[in-house]
This record gives sequence, C-alpha cells and structure tokens, in this order.
Amino acid sequence: DIQMTQSPSTLSASVGDRVTISCRASQSISGWLAWYQQKPGKAPKILIYKASILETGVPSRFSGTESGTELTLTISSLQPDDFATYYCQQYYSFPFSFGQGTKLEIK
Amino acid sequence: QVQLVESGGGVVQPGRSLRLSCAASGFLFKDYAMYWVRQAPGKGLDWVAAISYDGSNIHYAASVKGRFTISRDNSKNTLYLQMNSLRVEDTAMYYCARAARGISSYCQHWGQGTLVSVSS
Repeated sequence: DIQMTQSPSTLSASVGDRVTISCRASQSISGWLAWYQQKPGKAPKILIYKASILETGVPSRFSGTESGTELTLTISSLQPDDFATYYCQQYYSFPFSFGQGTKLEIK
Repeated sequence: QVQLVESGGGVVQPGRSLRLSCAASGFLFKDYAMYWVRQAPGKGLDWVAAISYDGSNIHYAASVKGRFTISRDNSKNTLYLQMNSLRVEDTAMYYCARAARGISSYCQHWGQGTLVSVSS
C-alpha cells in the first residue's frame, strides 16, 4: 500500500504570505495526486488533480508541482478564505490514501 | 448541479450493522464511479471503498474489508455502504463522493456526510 506523508501538520501564516505544503509518497505515483481543501464542518473540496491541474473555478493563486515522489501545493498570496485544512490524496493504486492533513492557521 | 445526499447514519452498538445510502442527482449516475470516504471526529480523511460505474469493479481499505460492502443501484441513482460488525473505531462522518471519471480517479464532488457513532 502507498503511504502519503504530509508536512507540516500545522502552518501559521498571514494574509499575503506565500505558503507551501508538501506530500511525499512512499513510492512513485506518477503524478496521480489530488489536493483538497476542507473547512470546519464542511465536506472537502477539490483544488488540484493530476498533481498540477487546477479544478475549474479554483483561484490561480493555488498551484501544484511534482518532483519524483515529492508533491507540493503552493498558495502564492494567502487570502482570508484560504485558512483551512488541506489534504493530499494518491489515486495511483488501490487502496487510495490521504495524507494526514495540514491545518493552515492565521498568524 | 451535482448533488449527493447521504443518509442512514446514527448511533449503533459495537458488533451491529448499519446501511448508509447516498442519493445522487444532477448527473448521469450510471456513468460514474463512486467512493466512500470517512473522517473520525477531529481526525483526517480516510478512504473507505470504491465502486465502478456498473458495480463490476470494487475495492476496499484493509480496515473495512470483509465487514463493509459497497454497492449501487443505477435504476435508483443511489450508492450504498453496508457496514457489518461495527467497531468503536468506525465512528466517523461518512462522505460519498463522485469520481471525476473512471474508478481510478479523484473525488470531484462530495456529499455533506452522515454521522455514524459506534458506542455501547
């Protein structure tokens, strides 16, 4: 089974900051990775799929990159609406698996 | 627009059973793979099961294999999760999600979830 190790678990930042969240796969997933945003009491929402493709309607300040088994979500300039928890998920092979999550807090 | 509405959650004793349903609308249900994902209180997302558009291809997480059964009724636009031999650690919000394409895809649309509490 593929393990997804996400870091950091918590990130404190300010509006306007550039932030990066990492996800490391235990083996190659060939970019079959999605990033989700979840706000308290709400269902997750897809942001990025296939490592770097922005879902329709997602602001362009979100971006994703891939380097081997290291995948990254970047928010270029944090907005108030971006403070939430973020998860990565591999869908390369079953059983699918999520990272542990990164809670993005206001500094 | 795509709508997924889960139901069937509740409080149940360990060892008992529960069946969750997910009513789908706003898209051609029979054309899409579907998933169940759960989230224990205060914890992260946990992938549970997947089913192909026609029910012929099914996968489970190791933690639920042999106890949970995913199924679908395309004539009723409904996804199911039969949960048997429930354990305290199965306590979670259960979300159904629609795949973007085939079974090996990401969760493009999510329901609001139904809460399952396993307690004596």
